[in-house]
Amino acid sequence: GDSVTQMEGPVTLSEEAFLTINCTYTATGYPSLFWYVQYPGEGLQLLLKATKADDKGSNKGFEATYRKETTSFHLEKGSVQVSDSAVYFCALSHTNAGKSTFGDGTTLTVKP
Amino acid sequence: EAGVTQSPTHLIKTRGQQATLRCSPISGHTSVYWYQQALGLGLQFLLWYDEGEERNRGNFPPRFSGRQFPNYSSELNVNALELEDSALYLCASRPRTGQGANGYTFGSGTRLTVV
Repeated sequence: GDSVTQMEGPVTLSEEAFLTINCTYTATGYPSLFWYVQYPGEGLQLLLKATKADDKGSNKGFEATYRKETTSFHLEKGSVQVSDSAVYFCALSHTNAGKSTFGDGTTLTVKP
Repeated sequence: EAGVTQSPTHLIKTRGQQATLRCSPISGHTSVYWYQQALGLGLQFLLWYDEGEERNRGNFPPRFSGRQFPNYSSELNVNALELEDSALYLCASRPRTGQGANGYTFGSGTRLTVV
């Protein structure tokens, strides 16, 4: 079955540091890949997505590239802010599967 | 545009009781998904409803059930509550067209506490 593996947290960075959160997946075919963010006390919000190999998703300074050869979708941001502190989830979904498979989440804390 | 709305926000029940959670999807979204987010266990897929029918369910016992109404809103019922059912229950919706390529829009969740 499908699975998503994220780097374990928590991750603690200083403001303006570079962020990488690793995500790799196991799946048949060509799933769509997603990053979601969950702020304290809230539901998940879609951050970015990529639907085919070599696509780059981007939003709010975050980027991730769909790498079919390494089955990866690592999340990056060049300069994090305190407001980026949240839990980040990597996920995949097949076109007609009806459900997504999520990683366990990575908690990011950014200190001023 | 209103987002996905869930009610109640918090729910406290006694072991053995039943809980009913409600979800209204974004207007135009026919698919509704339920996930359980227990502490330290990530998101576990519970149920998928589309066009009023249950399309898929995750690895949960039958005491987790639900339905989708003609207006596409949905209800999750948990019978014979156990302490380990305590979790955040998240509802999500997405457009049916191009389904898997669309991300979910999540509600803020219902925090169920079983005592």
